[in-house]
Amino acid sequence: SQQGEEDPQALSIQEGENATMNCSYKTSINNLQWYRQNSGRGLVHLILIRSNEREKHSGRLRVTLDTSKKSSSLLITASRAADTASYFCATDRETGYSTLTFGKGTMLLVSP
Amino acid sequence: DAGVTQSPTHLIKTRGQQVTLRCSPISGHKSVSWYQQVLGQGPQFIFQYYEKEERGRGNFPDRFSARQFPNYSSELNVNALLLGDSALYLCASSRPSVQGGELFFGEGSRLTVL
Repeated sequence: SQQGEEDPQALSIQEGENATMNCSYKTSINNLQWYRQNSGRGLVHLILIRSNEREKHSGRLRVTLDTSKKSSSLLITASRAADTASYFCATDRETGYSTLTFGKGTMLLVSP
Repeated sequence: DAGVTQSPTHLIKTRGQQVTLRCSPISGHKSVSWYQQVLGQGPQFIFQYYEKEERGRGNFPDRFSARQFPNYSSELNVNALLLGDSALYLCASSRPSVQGGELFFGEGSRLTVL
């Protein structure tokens, strides 16, 4: 079963604009992670935020976590055509073995 | 260093057949996980192995089985294939950490069941 739900399901923007994706989940978590997938290939880890953290940055990525609302957001600033991909949030309830529960993903299209 | 490698990359089977998928983790990673990704959905957890022992199992029927070898590579077996088993099967490796950590995914094995 899917733990998280990403919103929106699809997002289309122009290069240079910011892209924001949201994720909601249902149970308590150890950490929340965001992954990127190009054209049905393998997933690439983007960023991990722990349950006791509220915000984290990595390059053009900014992730926030609100455990009281069981939600997270991923902001990609100054989007590029190469950012076109599907983005998934994944929650990790366990300590030690990273058994992830993924959402259905947001498909991002960045047009030149 | 090489990433997670999976084989075969693509395969076609017919209903009722059996399939074995293989995965080699990143050097130094002792944990391997398997995920199934049906078209249009997020990956779903199937199995996790650490030090050759099963550490977790998702909500999949007994037709799905896996094992991990002394060199930490892993195999996923699916028996009595159904049309609904058509999916991208992803293997991921990681270093277990009390605080949790990222998974490193292979490119996947795309299974088509006819």
